[in-house]
Amino acid sequence: KQEVTQIPAALSVPEGENLVLNCSFTDSAIYNLQWFRQDPGKGLTSLLLIQSSQREQTSGRLNASLDKSSGRSTLYIAASQPGDSATYLCAVKVAGGSYIPTFGRGTSLIVHP
Amino acid sequence: DAGVTQSPTHLIKTRGQQVTLRCSPKSGHDTVSWYQQALGQGPQFIFQYYEEEERQRGNFPDRFSGHQFPNYSSELNVNALLLGDSALYLCASSPARGEQYFGPGTRLTVT
Repeated sequence: KQEVTQIPAALSVPEGENLVLNCSFTDSAIYNLQWFRQDPGKGLTSLLLIQSSQREQTSGRLNASLDKSSGRSTLYIAASQPGDSATYLCAVKVAGGSYIPTFGRGTSLIVHP
Repeated sequence: DAGVTQSPTHLIKTRGQQVTLRCSPKSGHDTVSWYQQALGQGPQFIFQYYEEEERQRGNFPDRFSGHQFPNYSSELNVNALLLGDSALYLCASSPARGEQYFGPGTRLTVT
């Protein structure tokens, strides 16, 4: 059974800092990994999707990397802004499986001015 | 394109009651999945509907049931509500096994 862990659970940083969120998974035979953003009480917004054959994806100030052999992904946020404050979730789909994603508990990020 | 829509936004029910939540998928999507997200947790998969049939189911009791209509919209029904059913219920739509797009969720409070 795939298990997904996100560290840290919470993070508070001053505006302008570069930061790294971590996601680890137990089954390295993945189909893809996806990072989401969730504002309080709201739905999930997809940020980046990395296929199993890819090493990283970039969108604006966001960069996500994938290392299947070590069962890890990182989400790098450059020059953080107060508007980045949200919970960030990673979700992993297993190859040859049900195509249902397994989610981590998320990292709650606060960027203060 | 309105994206994935869910109704109602918020709902308060009493223990033992029954509730129905609704979801309209993104245009062009034929698969709908439902998730339960308790406070401070990641979403947990409830079930998935495709071609009006339940295709996969997570580890949830039979009190949780669903339906998909010919227009691909879907309902989630929960019977005999428990306090522990209080959560954000998320609907996601996708084309077959493609990337899922999530709706804004329905916040259910059971008192």
